[in-house]
Amino acid sequence: EAGVVQSPRYKIIEKKQPVAFWCNPISGHNTLYWYLQNLGQGPELLIRYENEEAVDDSQLPKDRFSAERLKGVDSTLKIQPAELGDSAVYLCASSSRLSSFNNEQFFGPGTRLTVL
Amino acid sequence: ELKVEQNPLFLSMQEGKNYTIYCNYSTTSDRLYWYRQDPGKSLESLFVLLSNGAVKQEGRLMASLDTKARLSTLHITAAVHDLSATYFCAAVSGNTPLVFGKGTRLSVIA
Repeated sequence: EAGVVQSPRYKIIEKKQPVAFWCNPISGHNTLYWYLQNLGQGPELLIRYENEEAVDDSQLPKDRFSAERLKGVDSTLKIQPAELGDSAVYLCASSSRLSSFNNEQFFGPGTRLTVL
Repeated sequence: ELKVEQNPLFLSMQEGKNYTIYCNYSTTSDRLYWYRQDPGKSLESLFVLLSNGAVKQEGRLMASLDTKARLSTLHITAAVHDLSATYFCAAVSGNTPLVFGKGTRLSVIA
C-alpha cells in the first residue's frame, strides 16, 4: 500500500514569491491534515479536512495561507506571499474512519521550504 | 489548553544501556501516541496508548501510560545504533488536534 505522497520534497524561493505544496493521501483515507514543523519542534496542525470540508483551520494564517481539497482526495497548500519565517517543513498526514477509534495518522515525508 | 512536554530533549546514550523518555501532558487526554522521525524522513507511528495502565512493546522499545499522573514513558532497553532518531509523543483530547511535544533527539553511540 502506498503511503502519503508529497511534492515537491524541497523548495527554495525568494521572499514575497508564491509557493504551493501538493499531497496525495493514502487511498480511502477521508481525513487529511497539514502540519507545520519548525526546526527542533514538533508538528503543529494548520488545517484538517474531512473529505472536502475544512473542519479545523483555526491555526491557518489566512492572510497568506490557503488550502483546498476539491474532490476529497488530493490537497494543495499555498502560501502567497511567502515570508522568511515560513521556512519550515510542511507535513501532510491522513487517517481513515476505520481507524477513527485510535485516530492513527500516517505522515508523508514532508516538503522542506526555504525562503531567502 | 492541552500542552505536551517531553524530557529530555537531547539524549546521548551508549549502546547496550537502558533509558527512559518522559512525556507529560497538561489536561485529560483520550489517546497518547509515540512517533519516530529519522532526519529528513516522515514520522513513523510506534505506539498508540488508549487507556490507563496500557503498556505496549515492540523490540527494544516499550511505552506505557499513566492517565492519573498524565504521564507516558518510552523505555529503551539495551540501545543499539539503529534506534538513533527523534522521538515524539503526542496527545489528543476529545476533538482537539493532535498536540506534539518538542521531541527527544536520541543518539546511540558505541
